[in-house]
Amino acid sequence: NAGVTQTPKFRILKIGQSMTLQCTQDMNHNYMYWYRQDPGMGLKLIYYSVGAGITDKGEVPNGYNVSRSTTEDFPLRLELAAPSQTSVYFCASSYSIGLYEQYFGPGTRLTVT
Amino acid sequence: QQPVQSPQAVILREGEDAVINCSSSKALYSVHWYRQKHGEAPIFLMILLKGGEQKGHDKISASFNEKKQQSSLYLTASQLSYSGTYFCGTERNNAGNMLTFGGGTRLMVKP
Repeated sequence: NAGVTQTPKFRILKIGQSMTLQCTQDMNHNYMYWYRQDPGMGLKLIYYSVGAGITDKGEVPNGYNVSRSTTEDFPLRLELAAPSQTSVYFCASSYSIGLYEQYFGPGTRLTVT
Repeated sequence: QQPVQSPQAVILREGEDAVINCSSSKALYSVHWYRQKHGEAPIFLMILLKGGEQKGHDKISASFNEKKQQSSLYLTASQLSYSGTYFCGTERNNAGNMLTFGGGTRLMVKP
């Protein structure tokens, strides 16, 4: 099992550019999440999904979009990148809600200049 | 609302004990604890449900005081490998999927 994989590992964007962060899990988890972590800070939930075709906003969704067409994949789209989106992005998945641990991917370090 | 963790940072000598607290102003259903090493992804430690239960494995344990809406993580006889940042994630009243994470407690264990 590869667990949760994310690509790319690093990316530098210019202001106004767009990109998609990829996330794939091979554990057949229904629940998937996108977090951002600013330097020295905790994790903030951007979007989450409870299954293919179902997504919902987290704490900080502005400037991002997601889709979930399959159980395995949960891409995060950044439109019109801004310096405030400079952060480390973590994708996570869990078997179910609440009582189950979240498995995190290795993260994508994004810099917007 | 983000839970508050204390202390923000702690430095220990190998073999010393530490307590990390996580407090919420809202009623909680569960508390998750994760550890993150620098430049790596968070790794799960344990989950506690409301009901005041205490859990642990090896020399790391935790408790959940439902009345105070507070969880504490206890690190006993700390090892160098315990160094990292500890985060609590709280779930409110079986809200389902959303964990709200605290700002983290940075722990450094020195030889």
